[in-house]
Amino acid sequence: DADVTQTPRNRITKTGKRIMLECSQTKGHDRMYWYRQDPGLGLRLIYYSFDVKDINKGEISDGYSVSRQAQAKFSLSLESAIPNQTALYFCATRSFRGGELFFGEGSRLTVL
Amino acid sequence: SQELEQSPQSLIVQEGKNLTINCTSSKTLYGLYWYKQKYGEGLIFLMMLQKGGEEKSHEKITAKLDEKKQQSSLHITASQPSHAGIYLCGAGSQGAQKLVFGQGTRLTINP
Repeated sequence: DADVTQTPRNRITKTGKRIMLECSQTKGHDRMYWYRQDPGLGLRLIYYSFDVKDINKGEISDGYSVSRQAQAKFSLSLESAIPNQTALYFCATRSFRGGELFFGEGSRLTVL
Repeated sequence: SQELEQSPQSLIVQEGKNLTINCTSSKTLYGLYWYKQKYGEGLIFLMMLQKGGEEKSHEKITAKLDEKKQQSSLHITASQPSHAGIYLCGAGSQGAQKLVFGQGTRLTINP
């Protein structure tokens, strides 16, 4: 089983719909991140969390919200999806000691 | 906030040739990560550099960190089709866990 699991892997939805992307990890890490990837723009940080009670906005948080339900779970929500939120979304985790960032396989979201 | 600029944004090389990708930071680097991504897939960790002057190698890929220049370079020797993909550099600020990434370099290897 993967250390960082994202669901769904692919989703097609319509403008105005509410979407939730889920992430769970078995690494035991306290740091969790959500990134968005668009062609030519690399990875852009949406939100990050240091623990269940500590959630921080990243570079592009507008239009998104997150929930840290437990140390191992970090969900990203789009309350009312719009076409320019079509992208590949990645969840990642990291130990508080630093070191490598572990990524999930990505969730491809298409908003029509 | 810290910004990372990668160059070139796109690179096409003939199989067997050497190549270099650069990552330049707008602020002092306290740690630099290199990842590789096959098109539309997940990210593969290549290496992490933490100290100025540090150099690491993995198979035919070598990365260096130049703290004074706030820059890291990734060098591939004798490129192969398996090297094709998107290379991303990432870094964090000192004392912070906020990690940002460059825009990526798309590498194509022609036979």
